[in-house]
Amino acid sequence: GIQVEQSPPDLILQEGANSTLRCNFSDSVNNLQWFHQNPWGQLINLFYIPSGTKQNGRLSATTVATERYSLLYISSSQTTDSGVYFCAVGRYNFNKFYFGSGTKLNVKP
Amino acid sequence: GAGVSQSPRYKVAKRGQDVALRCDPISGHVSLFWYQQALGQGPEFLTYFQNEAQLDKSGLPSDRFFAERPEGSVSTLKIQRTQQEDSAVYLCASSLVLVSGRTQETQYFGPGTRLLVL
Repeated sequence: GIQVEQSPPDLILQEGANSTLRCNFSDSVNNLQWFHQNPWGQLINLFYIPSGTKQNGRLSATTVATERYSLLYISSSQTTDSGVYFCAVGRYNFNKFYFGSGTKLNVKP
Repeated sequence: GAGVSQSPRYKVAKRGQDVALRCDPISGHVSLFWYQQALGQGPEFLTYFQNEAQLDKSGLPSDRFFAERPEGSVSTLKIQRTQQEDSAVYLCASSLVLVSGRTQETQYFGPGTRLLVL
């Protein structure tokens, strides 16, 4: 399978601060998604981003597929951003995602 | 429906009891996936269906785990003779299949079923 490493494992921010989450993966991939798991356990799609850069409001993501990493940027963090952020990768011929262990984010007011 | 739904949301079972977990995928989504998420970990793949065909069951941890999707829509994950190590959140996801036959990459997840085996 594909190994996925996320860093940092834990992150505490003051409201309004910016942060960068990193996802490294061990093999070439065709699929990459970032998810936010809220305190109730729901996985919410943030970005489908196998390559390139995307932005959605205060969130943006960049994947450099040739170097096997992806970054998730959170700007002007809010308490509602708290939760666990997962990176998941996959390949066309493998109909599954491989998940990292996540980054647990706590945004304090 | 608007999203993937799962039931029950919570299940407490005594060790040795059989359980059945249900997943209703997004309407029109051909592909369906089951994942297991242990506390503090990322989800791990269990099995994959395309319509009613179970194309990959490599992640099922033992022969006590069985999944089916007989009509290509609703799926059931059954765990026989539950053990304490089966305690986890079980997540279901669905996705489209492209005209090319490849699974569309974006997977949409349900809220999960939290299983606690005592």
